[in-house]
Amino acid sequence: KAGVTQTPRYLIKTRGQQVTLSCSPISGHRSVSWYQQTPGQGLQFLFEYFSETQRNKGNFPGRFSGRQFSNSRSEMNVSTLELGDSALYLCASSLAGGGEAEAFFGQGTRLTVV
Amino acid sequence: EDQVTQSPEALRLQEGESSSLNCSYTVSGLRGLFWYRQDPGKGPEFLFTLYSAGEEKEKERLKATLTKKESFLHITAPKPEDSATYLCAVQDYGGSQGNLIFGKGTKLSVKP
Repeated sequence: KAGVTQTPRYLIKTRGQQVTLSCSPISGHRSVSWYQQTPGQGLQFLFEYFSETQRNKGNFPGRFSGRQFSNSRSEMNVSTLELGDSALYLCASSLAGGGEAEAFFGQGTRLTVV
Repeated sequence: EDQVTQSPEALRLQEGESSSLNCSYTVSGLRGLFWYRQDPGKGPEFLFTLYSAGEEKEKERLKATLTKKESFLHITAPKPEDSATYLCAVQDYGGSQGNLIFGKGTKLSVKP
């Protein structure tokens, strides 16, 4: 059974550019959540999608957005990149997103903004 | 506000030296507490879910326990391959489906 797949693994972008990251969840999983991980703040929740609808959103500016497709694959977009957006972006999938289902993480996308 | 605090930040053990990691939490209503292991440059790997005080779960050298205010991850006779950062996360009934609130983690180093 394939795990959660995130692409690309590494990205280098210039300040002011935008970037799109992709996440393919485990087959059959309908919930996809995104997290930002930095050394100082640890893992912080960005947003969660379930059945193509954003169900919850963390405390990040509107430059961070996402979407989910009918096959449960998800993308997140960051516009007008800032140096502070450099981080490991992790995607997690679960069956339904509730506490009764474990979340499984991908390997992450390492974004570096220069 | 939901909070998760893990201690210690870093722990160095000799191979075979058992110890415990602590995760203290504050939530309005606990839906679930999760333990993950993260190796450098990789995503977190799921270990356990605990739902109610008194619950315990075991996997190889790891045992997780839960009380109303904290959880412990006990490591018995650790091996060098147990070296990793261990993350604790909670999910609140209060509203945040799919939203895990993470602690900053405990970085465990096991020396041979």
